[in-house]
Amino acid sequence: GENVEQHPSTLSVQEGDSAVIKCTYSDSASNYFPWYKQELGKGPQLIIDIRSNVGEKKDQRIAVTLNKTAKHFSLHITETQPEDSAVYFCAASTGSGGSYIPTFGRGTSLIVHP
Amino acid sequence: DVKVTQSSRYLVKRTGEKVFLECVQDMDHENMFWYRQDPGLGLRLIYFSYDVKMKEKGDIPEGYSVSREKKERFSLILESASTNQTSMYLCASSLSLLSGTEAFFGQGTRLTVV
Repeated sequence: GENVEQHPSTLSVQEGDSAVIKCTYSDSASNYFPWYKQELGKGPQLIIDIRSNVGEKKDQRIAVTLNKTAKHFSLHITETQPEDSAVYFCAASTGSGGSYIPTFGRGTSLIVHP
Repeated sequence: DVKVTQSSRYLVKRTGEKVFLECVQDMDHENMFWYRQDPGLGLRLIYFSYDVKMKEKGDIPEGYSVSREKKERFSLILESASTNQTSMYLCASSLSLLSGTEAFFGQGTRLTVV
């Protein structure tokens, strides 16, 4: 099955700095790569996603890049703010019997210091 | 807005009890998932369902079963709760398309087995 590795497990930055989280995946058939943000006491929520036919996608201060050849994708957050502090998960979706199942990385705890 | 509702935020059960965790989604999604979230281990898939009465094992199904009698409802059952099943349980749902799609999560149920 799919295996997703995520690094780093913890990331501490100063407000205004950039943050980068990296993930690798193993199954070349994976075709959808979402990123989720989980705030304390809540379920994860999608913040940005990218499909396998696209190399880069941007939404205001966040961007995601995908390198299919190397099987890795990254989340970039610019001008970080304290409210960006949360746990971030990457995922890769792989087909299974007609459905697509997301496999998640282990998460990155991002701490933004004011 | 898609809403995924889990019946309990917190549960405390005794070892050996049969435990039911309920999840309801209101967007007519075909796919439903149960994940377990533990610190440092990310989200691990227990079971998923792609249609009524259909279920597939995920990565860690041992000690769990599921039921999906109606499209909107997906139940996770701990046949005989054990202390190593103390965890956060997350339910999610998604559309079934020809590629991966966003998963919508409930707020989670924190289960403690004593």
